[in-house]
Amino acid sequence: QLQLQESGSGLVKPSQTLSLTCAVSGGSISSGDYAWSWIRQTPGKGLEWLVYIYQSGSVYYNPSLKSRVSISEDTSKNHLSLRLRSVTAADTAVYYCARVGGNVTANNWFDPWGPGTQVTVSS
Amino acid sequence: QSVLTQPPSVSGAPGQRVIISCTGSSTNIGTGYDVHWYQQFPGTAPKVLIYGNTNRPSGVPDRFSGSKSGTSASLAITGLQADDEADYYCQSYDNDLNIWIFGGGTRLTVL
Repeated sequence: QLQLQESGSGLVKPSQTLSLTCAVSGGSISSGDYAWSWIRQTPGKGLEWLVYIYQSGSVYYNPSLKSRVSISEDTSKNHLSLRLRSVTAADTAVYYCARVGGNVTANNWFDPWGPGTQVTVSS
Repeated sequence: QSVLTQPPSVSGAPGQRVIISCTGSSTNIGTGYDVHWYQQFPGTAPKVLIYGNTNRPSGVPDRFSGSKSGTSASLAITGLQADDEADYYCQSYDNDLNIWIFGGGTRLTVL
C-alpha cells in the first residue's frame, strides 16, 4: 500500500526558503506510472494546489507561485522535495504531498495524501 | 473565496440524506472537467471519496454518491451516520486559471 510522509522545516523566517521532503513507500516514484503533487491548506484560503511533477521532470506550477516554487525527485531515496523561496506569513500552512490519480490530464484527482506537515512562517 | 462554491455547513439526523453542492463556472465544471470529492476529519489529510464525478474507490460505502450537471456537482450521503461528521471538499480543474481547484469545504454535522 502506497504511503507518503512529509517532513521538513516547521518554522521558517520571513524571506527565507521553505524546504520539505515527501518520502514515498510501497511504490516507486521512478516507475513513471504516476504523477505527484504538493498541496497546502490554510484556515483562510482552504486547499491550494501548488505544483505537479511527472515523467521524471515535467512540471506544472500554480502560476501564482511559479516564480518561487520548485519541485524535484530523488529516485535513489524515493522521495520528492518542495522548495518555496521568499516566504511570508501567507505561506503558513499545512503542506501535503499526494499522488496524482488517473492518467496525466486535467481530470486528475489526488490520492493518497501524506498526513501533512505544519509550516509556520514567523520571525 | 474559492472558485468552486460550497455551502459552509450542512446537517442532518442519523439515517437521513444530505446533499452537498459544488458550484463552478464555464471555465471549470461547465467545460466538462471531472469533479472529485474528499472527506477530511480534523487533524488528518483529505481522502478521496468520489473521483471522476461518480466513481467510488474501493472501501467507500455506496451511501456516498456523486453527480454532475452543467456548472455544478453534488455529493449525496444517505443513511447518515455519526462518523460521517467531517469536512467535505470538491475539486476540479480550471482552464482560465490553469490550476487544479478546490471548493471552500462543507462541514457536515450529524445531529
